[in-house]
Amino acid sequence: NAGVTQTPKFRILKIGQSMTLQCTQDMNHNYMYWYRQDPGMGLKLIYYSVGAGITDKGEVPNGYNVSRSTTEDFPLRLELAAPSQTSVYFCAALADPGFDQPQHFGDGTRLSIL
Amino acid sequence: AQKVTQAQTEISVVEKEDVTLDCVYETRDTTYYLFWYKQPPSGELVFLIRRNSFDEQNEISGRYSWNFQKSTSSFNFTITASQVVDSAVYFCALWVYAGNNRKLIWGLGTSLAVNP
Repeated sequence: NAGVTQTPKFRILKIGQSMTLQCTQDMNHNYMYWYRQDPGMGLKLIYYSVGAGITDKGEVPNGYNVSRSTTEDFPLRLELAAPSQTSVYFCAALADPGFDQPQHFGDGTRLSIL
Repeated sequence: AQKVTQAQTEISVVEKEDVTLDCVYETRDTTYYLFWYKQPPSGELVFLIRRNSFDEQNEISGRYSWNFQKSTSSFNFTITASQVVDSAVYFCALWVYAGNNRKLIWGLGTSLAVNP
């Protein structure tokens, strides 16, 4: 079982470039999330989705966009990359914990903006 | 307001010592879930445990145990006879139902170093 797959694993961008971080899950979970983790820090929520066609902002949405056209995919788009967006990005696909299903995170995407 | 506090930023122990990682949460919800995740130096996030607000039984899994006390809003994590492989950052998180939305509220993590 793949769980949550994030691509790419590493990327270096120049200031002002744009890119899309891909996230795909094969568990049919409704809830998907994008987090960023700066060095030595905790997780900050960027955007999340409770189902296909529904997205909402988290704590730090500025500079990012998301879409959720299918249950499986939840891409994160960076427009006009800035050095402050250098971070590790984690995607998660979570089930309602009341259903006692596993909670999965992707392995992360390390992004550097130079 | 919903919040998770992990007051211990860093802990350093010697192998075979027992260590407890504290987690205090705030929520007005009567139904909620608490989680612990481990982030080893390799960077991935590893799910350790989920506990719902109606189940205050302590849980033990090998060298790991969790103590959930609603009276003090705490969900502490103890590692018995710590090993070097336990060195990691440990995160406590609270799952909240915010209207139609669902999300995890994270603590800032406790960095545990187990020295040989």
